Amino acid sequence: NAGVTQTPKFQVLKTGQSMTLQCAQDMNHEYMSWYRQDPGMGLRLIHYSVGAGITDQGEVPNGYNVSRSTTEDFPLRLLSAAPSQTSVYFCASSDRTGTGFRTQYFGPGTRLTVL
Amino acid sequence: AQSVSQHNHHVILSEAASLELGCNYSYGGTVNLFWYVQYPGQHLQLLLKYFSGDPLVKGIKGFEAEFIKSKFSFNLRKPSVQWSDTAEYFCAVKGTDSWGKLQFGAGTQVVVTP
Repeated sequence: NAGVTQTPKFQVLKTGQSMTLQCAQDMNHEYMSWYRQDPGMGLRLIHYSVGAGITDQGEVPNGYNVSRSTTEDFPLRLLSAAPSQTSVYFCASSDRTGTGFRTQYFGPGTRLTVL
Repeated sequence: AQSVSQHNHHVILSEAASLELGCNYSYGGTVNLFWYVQYPGQHLQLLLKYFSGDPLVKGIKGFEAEFIKSKFSFNLRKPSVQWSDTAEYFCAVKGTDSWGKLQFGAGTQVVVTP
């Protein structure tokens, strides 16, 4: 299994540009999520999905859109990039045990710089 | 709302020293608890997790953590660190009634000197 994969690894955007960060997992996990990591702030949840066709907002959703058309893919779209969105973005997916608990597995991250 | 507090932002210690990183959380219900590690330039990896049962949890690479429910704490320990333990460590909490929404602490940067 490749686990959780993310592309691209690095990206530089100009203010106002749009782009999509890709995330895919091959573990048949129902739950997928996007976080951003900023120094001194840990990871903050942007959006998450509990299955294909179902998404919801996390702690910092503004400026980002998501969709979940398949179990495997969970792309994150920046509609109009702003310097405040400069960050490292991590995608994660979760398994479920018989008791319903989940452990999240993280992708390698995308380092985004907005000029 | 749940929150997670990690006591130290930076820790510097020598090889073979013992390590303890504090983590306290605020949440009104039953929780799942995690410690993740991020080595330089890498993604987050799960060190250990607590769901239920024995409050002393053993993870990979010689790490362990103890859940003390009365203190809302989940401190991470390692008796003797190595240079390769240099990394950032994150405590995370999830309410058992939530769909995988992890709340992370701010992280502790650990530097182990030879």
